[in-house]
Amino acid sequence: DGGITQSPKYLFRKEGQNVTLSCEQNLNHDAMYWYRQDPGQGLRLIYYSQIVNDFQKGDIAEGYSVSREKKESFPLTVTSAQKNPTAFYLCASSTTANYGYTFGSGTRLTVV
Amino acid sequence: EDKVVQSPLSLVVHEGDTVTLNCSYEVTNFRSLLWYKQEKKAPTFLFMLTSSGIEKKSGRLSSILDKKELFSILNITATQTGDSAVYLCAGGLGGGSNYKLTFGKGTLLTVNP
Repeated sequence: DGGITQSPKYLFRKEGQNVTLSCEQNLNHDAMYWYRQDPGQGLRLIYYSQIVNDFQKGDIAEGYSVSREKKESFPLTVTSAQKNPTAFYLCASSTTANYGYTFGSGTRLTVV
Repeated sequence: EDKVVQSPLSLVVHEGDTVTLNCSYEVTNFRSLLWYKQEKKAPTFLFMLTSSGIEKKSGRLSSILDKKELFSILNITATQTGDSAVYLCAGGLGGGSNYKLTFGKGTLLTVNP
């Protein structure tokens, strides 16, 4: 079964610690994206990558970092510089052919 | 700045009612308008619209795009409790290596029995 896997589903961290969220896809999609979702805010783009070893900042990249060493994987690191890291994080992927996204099931990060 | 605005932000109806959800957009290099349904976790794809005036249908759901007015609607007829969800509208912009979706805040639809 092809799809996108995000792990873990729930994550708790203490303030000041970096944390890395995993996103893996076996859809052979070229493009991968990270969004953050807060109540009443919709989805906001953090980072995206269209090819391996290349990525672009989205609208709210400050306090986050990513890497794209493999086509299948696009991990997101939430650094201590992110002021309000508690949120629901969604990873998505797409081909350039049909422009629709396939989403992972998300990671809910709580920083205490 | 690219912008997608959905209305209403929330809506409560009774089973059997028909609802219309609205989405207006201002995006540069517009490619497509997409609708997603989000129940618990991952949004699931409903429609992608690229041409003006052509209605897309899937069961009780339908959607249409007006590229002149920069507007789209999502209709749900004979609503059921299982239609309760957040409905997200997104504008697809750019192309090739710059393609990305800009989302609205969503419409929370609650269908009561």
